[in-house]
Amino acid sequence: KQEVTQIPAALSVPEGENLVLNCSFTDSAIYNLQWFRQDPGKGLTSLLLIQSSQREQTSGRLNASLDKSSGRSTLYIAASQPGDSATYLCAVSKGPGSARQLTFGSGTQLTVLP
Amino acid sequence: SQTIHQWPATLVQPVGSPLSLECTVEGTSNPNLYWYRQAAGRGLQLLFYSVGIGQISSEVPQNLSASRPQDRQFILSSKKLLLSDSGFYLCAWGQGGTEAFFGQGTRLTVV
Repeated sequence: KQEVTQIPAALSVPEGENLVLNCSFTDSAIYNLQWFRQDPGKGLTSLLLIQSSQREQTSGRLNASLDKSSGRSTLYIAASQPGDSATYLCAVSKGPGSARQLTFGSGTQLTVLP
Repeated sequence: SQTIHQWPATLVQPVGSPLSLECTVEGTSNPNLYWYRQAAGRGLQLLFYSVGIGQISSEVPQNLSASRPQDRQFILSSKKLLLSDSGFYLCAWGQGGTEAFFGQGTRLTVV
């Protein structure tokens, strides 16, 4: 059974810092990995999707890397801003054809202090 | 572009009352549809998924049921709510193994 772990559970940093969020998964046979952002009381917003054949994806100040063989992914946020404060979730997908795909981590709650 | 709508945003229901949460998707056809629950302090748990009209699969035994009466409509129901049904319910859609998109969620409090 796939298990996804996110470390740390919570993180507080001053504005402007670069930071790294970690995600690990136990079964390396994944199809893709997705990073989400969740604001309090809201749904999930997709940030980046990395296919299993890719090493990284970038969007603006965000960069996600994937090392499938070691079961790890990182989300790098450059020059953090208070608006980045949210819970960040990673989820792995097992395969392309089946619908019940995403296994989620418990998230990292990020607070960026002004 | 595709959009997903979920309602209501919040709901307070007494124990033993029925439940109906609705989710609709626009801008796509034949999506895979999902219901997740997020309990306080815990991760997201997949409750149901559907690959087509009338096709529902349940991931965990529970007091809830799901239905898909139309291609882009997914409904989560219960005949009698339990206190343990409280949580944050999220609808999502996807196609194949591509990116998953989530609705804004429904906060359900059973009192």
